Amino acid sequence: GQNIDQPTEMTATEGAIVQINCTYQTSGFNGLFWYQQHAGEAPTFLSYNVLDGLEEKGRFSSFLSRSKGYSYLLLKELQMKDSASYLCAVPDSNYQLIWGAGTKLIIKP
Amino acid sequence: IAGITQAPTSQILAAGRRMTLRCTQDMRHNAMYWYRQDLGLGLRLIHYSNTAGTTGKGEVPDGYSVSRANTDDFPLTLASAVPSQTSVYFCASSPTSGAYNEQFFGPGTRLTVL
Repeated sequence: GQNIDQPTEMTATEGAIVQINCTYQTSGFNGLFWYQQHAGEAPTFLSYNVLDGLEEKGRFSSFLSRSKGYSYLLLKELQMKDSASYLCAVPDSNYQLIWGAGTKLIIKP
Repeated sequence: IAGITQAPTSQILAAGRRMTLRCTQDMRHNAMYWYRQDLGLGLRLIHYSNTAGTTGKGEVPDGYSVSRANTDDFPLTLASAVPSQTSVYFCASSPTSGAYNEQFFGPGTRLTVL
């Protein structure tokens, strides 16, 4: 079967750096997605990793290690607007996304 | 219309009633999806459609049905609502149904079944 684990909640300080981890177990591997979801809103796409390594996109970076079944999302220079839930997802064998429960990130001034 | 829309925004429904949640996209995406999101759980796929005229069952399809008569519309029907169907429902679409299928989400419908 497939399983995705993320921490339930994290707290960080404005201006700091935070790393949100995601571990997954899949029967095959077709990439890993990160989405951002602000409270009361819809998820929005952040990143997609299919090869090992770090991909940087502005203040956000996403890392993947396929051999370890592990990914993280790195957020730099945190801003109050980064307070949101961050969802990790992987496609199953039919390419339908299996979602983690999400990590709620709280930013404090 | 720009993107993907859902209606209604919210609804309170008596148990046993029939309800259709509407979803329309104008991006000409081939694939569409219905998810439910409950506190403490990840998004769970109810039904999906890889292309107009085809549908498939997701993780939690019981009590729900869908149709995909054309590219733009993907309604979700609850034949006889039960309280356990109280949830936030998101419709999403993606250009293709392959492995890289960045999904675009509608604003959601908050449904309460009493």
